[in-house]
Amino acid sequence: AQSVTQLDSHVSVSEGTPVLLRCNYSSSYSPSLFWYVQHPNKGLQLLLKYTSAATLVKGINGFEAEFKKSETSFHLTKPSAHMSDAAEYFCVVSDVNRDDKIIFGKGTRLHILP
Amino acid sequence: GAGVSQSPSNKVTEKGKDVELRCDPISGHTALYWYRQSLGQGLEFLIYFQGNSAPDKSGLPSDRFSAERTGGSVSTLTIQRTQQEDSAVYLCASSLVGGRSYNEQFFGPGTRLTVL
Repeated sequence: AQSVTQLDSHVSVSEGTPVLLRCNYSSSYSPSLFWYVQHPNKGLQLLLKYTSAATLVKGINGFEAEFKKSETSFHLTKPSAHMSDAAEYFCVVSDVNRDDKIIFGKGTRLHILP
Repeated sequence: GAGVSQSPSNKVTEKGKDVELRCDPISGHTALYWYRQSLGQGLEFLIYFQGNSAPDKSGLPSDRFSAERTGGSVSTLTIQRTQQEDSAVYLCASSLVGGRSYNEQFFGPGTRLTVL
C-alpha cells in the first residue's frame, strides 16, 4: 500500500530565497510521484512528475524535485521564491499498477514574505 | 481538447435537502475520482472508479454520500439530507490508467457547495 507524508503544513520564506517543501512516501512497487499546485481560488495544476526516468525532475515555474529511493523522499525545491509562488502544494504518490489509486498528501501552504 | 467539467459550479442548498453534483471526465479516461476540499484543508478522498471494477468507496464519510458512474463516463455524486458540515468544494478528477500516462490526474474546476 502507498502513503505520502508532507512534513510541513506551512512554510514561509522570503522572496528571493530558496524554497524546500518536503515529501516522504512509502510504496510497495515502483512509485510514480507528482507535485500539484493550487493557487488561491484556482484549480489544481500539475507542477511536475517522476515516472522512473531521470531522478531529478524539472517542472514549471522553475520548480524541481529529486527522487531519492534510499530516503523515500521527493522534496520540491526552487532556487529563488517569487511572490506568485504563494499557493498550496500537494505531493502525490501512485504505483504503476493498473488498479492502484492515487494518494494525496495533506498539502503544504507556502507563504512568501516580501 | 476538452478538460474535466463539473456542474454546477456553485450550489447553495438548505440543510436536509438532497444535492447532485455532476462530473464529465476527459473522454477515454477510465479512472475517475471524487475529492472534498473544506476551507483551509487538504484534499479528502471520497470515491474512486476504475473501468468496470467495483468502486473504492472507502473515503465516503457517511451513508448519506453515494456516487455512480454511468457507462464508464459521466459520474454523479449525491449527498442526501445535507448537513452544514458538508459545505466544501467537491473536486472531480480523471486519469488514463496504464500506458504512458502514469496516472496523472486532470482536475475539474470543482463545485462549491454551501449548506445553509
